[in-house]
Amino acid sequence: GAVVSQHPSWVICKSGTSVKIECRSLDFQATTMFWYRQFPKQSLMLMATSNEGSKATYEQGVEKDKFLINHASLTLSTLTVTSAHPEDSSFYICSAPNGGTRGIEQYFGPGTRLTVT
Amino acid sequence: LAKTTQPISMDSYEGQEVNITCSHNNIATNDYITWYQQFPSQGPRFIIQGYKTKVTNEVASLFIPADRKSSTLSLPRVSLSDTAVYYCLVGDRGNQGGKLIFGQGTELSVKP
Repeated sequence: GAVVSQHPSWVICKSGTSVKIECRSLDFQATTMFWYRQFPKQSLMLMATSNEGSKATYEQGVEKDKFLINHASLTLSTLTVTSAHPEDSSFYICSAPNGGTRGIEQYFGPGTRLTVT
Repeated sequence: LAKTTQPISMDSYEGQEVNITCSHNNIATNDYITWYQQFPSQGPRFIIQGYKTKVTNEVASLFIPADRKSSTLSLPRVSLSDTAVYYCLVGDRGNQGGKLIFGQGTELSVKP
């Protein structure tokens, strides 16, 4: 099946710094990718839709200037957490849809654990 | 996107069949029902998807009544490795472009 990777798998950064998380579709192209955030013992929360060649679409309540999304190519989307603070510590997961015999399926990356100290 | 309601948690024992029911009263005509499994610190993994009646694959079955306002994920003979959170999602596979809104999920705990 289709594979989505994320890098890094975990990262620790100091408060006030920025950190970039990459999401790649390894064996298919994705004009759209999605970014989720998940706090401990909670469900995934959709943050934004990453669109190749155009601006990302953010969900209500998500600060677009803090969570910068760039869909640089048909296989790569990046999420940059700017001026990170401890409350940004979370598990960030990306996904990409890919068409198959069952219609469009969503493939998820393994996630990136961000810890802001 | 239709809202879903699932039990927050369930307990089971190895070898038993587990049925997790999801309510989706506002499901739309074009919506499909998809179940995902998530282990701690991992991304969700697709389990099964269906539109109506019954769907079966190598890991689970999905039962959908005629009114489609609910669905039941059936896991036969669970093992300890099936301990995970299971999410039921409802959405249009095509026009939504894959946008998924996750509900609270069901935390399944399988005991020896």
